[in-house]
Amino acid sequence: DSGVTQTPKHLITATGQRVTLRCSPRSGDLSVYWYQQSLDQGLQFLIQYYNGEERAKGNILERFSAQQFPDLHSELNLSSLELGDSALYFCASSVGTGATEQYFGPGTRLTVT
Amino acid sequence: GQNIDQPTEMTATEGAIVQINCTYQTSGFNGLFWYQQHAGEAPTFLSYNVLDGLEEKGRFSSFLSRSKGYSYLLLKELQMKDSASYLCAVRALLWGTASKLTFGTGTRLQVTL
Repeated sequence: DSGVTQTPKHLITATGQRVTLRCSPRSGDLSVYWYQQSLDQGLQFLIQYYNGEERAKGNILERFSAQQFPDLHSELNLSSLELGDSALYFCASSVGTGATEQYFGPGTRLTVT
Repeated sequence: GQNIDQPTEMTATEGAIVQINCTYQTSGFNGLFWYQQHAGEAPTFLSYNVLDGLEEKGRFSSFLSRSKGYSYLLLKELQMKDSASYLCAVRALLWGTASKLTFGTGTRLQVTL
């Protein structure tokens, strides 16, 4: 158990819908990262927040957005969902922005039908 | 941009030694990571190299040559539970202390009797 929690574990929704994925980092960790893992593309970095502020951006679509709240939990919002958005979404956390280790949560499996 | 290459699949025998190679091209190199990921589960941290040389951690060792853009993960005394995907990831500095972790597509290792 990494100490990072994610909810929900599974999510099934239809195309065009909007969903929110939630992540709570390990106690004491200020950085939260979001990743998407699909079968054909591996683990793709989406976005990072550090102490409430956006820190780095990866291959995140405009239909996706995220935020980190004062209690340090983070939410990833996915809208206008498409079939290709079906994937495992992982959240990870670390102490700081340059930490040597990121701790991954168990992931949310999103299925878009 | 960044480019990371690692073999797609490898097979090895229980008790043997296996070496998983990773080559990369990146600007702003700031460390190379190896993660283990069992199917459907979260990646777990194995090792981190930022300077050239070998880092040993029990049955696992990782090597880095920055000038060659090359790393390998060495697994000794293989056990059946080592059957998993092994992800090579490169961290690159973006600006200030912000950085981005880019993962390779992973090497699926099958350990057989």
